[in-house]
Amino acid sequence: ETGVTQSPTHLIKTRGQQVTLRCSSQSGHNTVSWYQQALGQGPQFIFQYYREEENGRGNFPPRFSGLQFPNYSSELNVNALELDDSALYLCASSLGGGQRSPLHFGNGTRLTVT
Amino acid sequence: GENVEQHPSTLSVQEGDSAVIKCTYSDSASNYFPWYKQELGKGPQLIIDIRSNVGEKKDQRIAVTLNKTAKHFSLHITETQPEDSAVYFCAASHLGAQKLVFGQGTRLTINP
Repeated sequence: ETGVTQSPTHLIKTRGQQVTLRCSSQSGHNTVSWYQQALGQGPQFIFQYYREEENGRGNFPPRFSGLQFPNYSSELNVNALELDDSALYLCASSLGGGQRSPLHFGNGTRLTVT
Repeated sequence: GENVEQHPSTLSVQEGDSAVIKCTYSDSASNYFPWYKQELGKGPQLIIDIRSNVGEKKDQRIAVTLNKTAKHFSLHITETQPEDSAVYFCAASHLGAQKLVFGQGTRLTINP
């Protein structure tokens, strides 16, 4: 069974730039959720994708957007980067949408905005 | 919306002793409560979860208790070992919801 994989592991960007983060879900899982984890804090929900459509969104501005592909992998895009976007971005996969099965997290992408 | 408070923020115990981490939640509709362990440089790993139709669940040295009336739940780790050192997060949700709401985390240190 292949776990959740995320790429890249680390990324440094400049304020105002755009970034794309990628996630491959665990085999057999059809739902992907993205979380932002600031240093010393718990993860905060960005959005969830189920069957290639956004299935719920947290309190994040529209410059945070995503995609889910037919193979259930996913991308997180952030436009017009701000310094406060520096964080660990976590992808989690599950089965069936909502919280019907436990979330399994990847190891994250550490984004630094300078 | 849901709010989850977690205490303590740091906890240091002697190897072999027990550790207890407590969380409270605000939304009475929440019915799913997972606990995650996060080691340095890694993502959170699910260690145990409980649904609101049971009051306690145990898996070897780890147990979780839930008090729905008081809206709090706790993680108990017995016979602690150095490899238990990590940051632990509680979370709450209901099964139809898209998001987990996490607590602020507890940094657990096991002293040999």
